[in-house]
Amino acid sequence: DIVMTQSPDSLAVSLGERATINCKSSQSVLYSTNNLNYLAWYQQKPGQPPKLLIYWASTRESGVPDRFSGSGSGTDFTLTISSLQAEDVAVYYCQQYYTGRTFGQGTKLEIK
Amino acid sequence: QVLLQESGPGLVKTSETLSLTCNVSGGSVGDYYWSWIRQPPGKGLEWIGYIYNSGSTFYNPSLRSRVTISADTSKNQFSLRLSSVTAADTAVYYCAGELSDQYFDCWGQGTLVTVSS
Repeated sequence: DIVMTQSPDSLAVSLGERATINCKSSQSVLYSTNNLNYLAWYQQKPGQPPKLLIYWASTRESGVPDRFSGSGSGTDFTLTISSLQAEDVAVYYCQQYYTGRTFGQGTKLEIK
Repeated sequence: QVLLQESGPGLVKTSETLSLTCNVSGGSVGDYYWSWIRQPPGKGLEWIGYIYNSGSTFYNPSLRSRVTISADTSKNQFSLRLSSVTAADTAVYYCAGELSDQYFDCWGQGTLVTVSS
């Protein structure tokens, strides 16, 4: 199994400031044949299903604001919100799809 | 636009089998990968397994011995069966689809299943 570990578990950021969430996989999720990282990020608000934000580690889903960006390769990944908005309060999950599917434990993002 | 809707009992007795169905509209259950994912109250997401090509399956190793996912192409739906449930199986159960590629870009609203004696 590939284990996904996020840090921190919770994060408080001031409005307009940058938020950074990290995700580490227990083994590489980079597929050498196509040079793609099999890593996605989701946002979940209370009472709602998760929403896809980022796939292939850095490709933004259609309609997702450009303040959201993903980076990293291999085993270490980052989700960055460049300027936090009130509507970004949520829990964020990384997920690998290299083999089977596994989610990180989630990072709760709040306003400071 | 593909829409997913979970249905099934909201309460299951301990040691019995949990059964849920996901109805697919706007797309074919014979296409794509379809998963079940669960979320215990106040906790994170756990992938249960997926079905593709209407019959091929892959399960989370931690649940494999108790899980069966199947599809009914005539009804355009897929189903989850989880046997020998305990209180630890209490969760919101989501069905989800991988329409564009191997990530979840389509989700049902989820259904809460409580396991109690």
